[in-house]
Amino acid sequence: EPEVTQTPSHQVTQMGQEVILRCVPISNHLYFYWYRQILGQKVEFLVSFYNNEISEKSEIFDDQFSVERPDGSNFTLKIRSTKLEDSAMYFCAIQQGGLQETQYFGPGTRLLVL
Amino acid sequence: GNSVTQMEGPVTLSEEAFLTINCTYTATGYPSLFWYVQYPGEGLQLLLKATKADDKGSNKGFEATYRKETTSFHLEKGSVQVSDSAVYFCALSDSWMDSSYKLIFGSGTRLLVRP
Repeated sequence: EPEVTQTPSHQVTQMGQEVILRCVPISNHLYFYWYRQILGQKVEFLVSFYNNEISEKSEIFDDQFSVERPDGSNFTLKIRSTKLEDSAMYFCAIQQGGLQETQYFGPGTRLLVL
Repeated sequence: GNSVTQMEGPVTLSEEAFLTINCTYTATGYPSLFWYVQYPGEGLQLLLKATKADDKGSNKGFEATYRKETTSFHLEKGSVQVSDSAVYFCALSDSWMDSSYKLIFGSGTRLLVRP
């Protein structure tokens, strides 16, 4: 099973601050995803990334959010000006590609916005 | 749009009891179906999957059969263990109308197994 690490594991920030969440897949994959899970709620899709560009994004993924692969390995999610409601667990997922392929999730970053 | 509906939890069972967690879906195309498990304090792990109608996914004693006629993918296990206590998520991936293979999750069902 492909290994995916995420950093930091926990982050506490003040409202209005910028945060960058990082995902490091250990193997080469084609598709990258960010999901979030607000405490006690379902896991929600944020954005998918393929061939160095966004392939799909949800309504949640507004102008405050951005993603990139700055060095071809790390995959980052940036929130420019955090809001209280951004507090959640953020999961990165990787996939080789194809409808039948499994998405492998990282352990998540717990973000708390005060 | 596509959606997944799971039975409400929590589900509390005694060890060695039979488990069923219901999952139904709505999809416009021919989705792949998944069960993910989330143990306390951890991320999501794939438990099993099925990619076409009548396929049965199985892993660690858990099973689920892709039923197109009833649009269901119920999770079952014949004899649960305390270590199965976790939150279980049903999910689908359907690229019929989408440009990516994003997963759509159900709300999750918490399982608590007592010794």
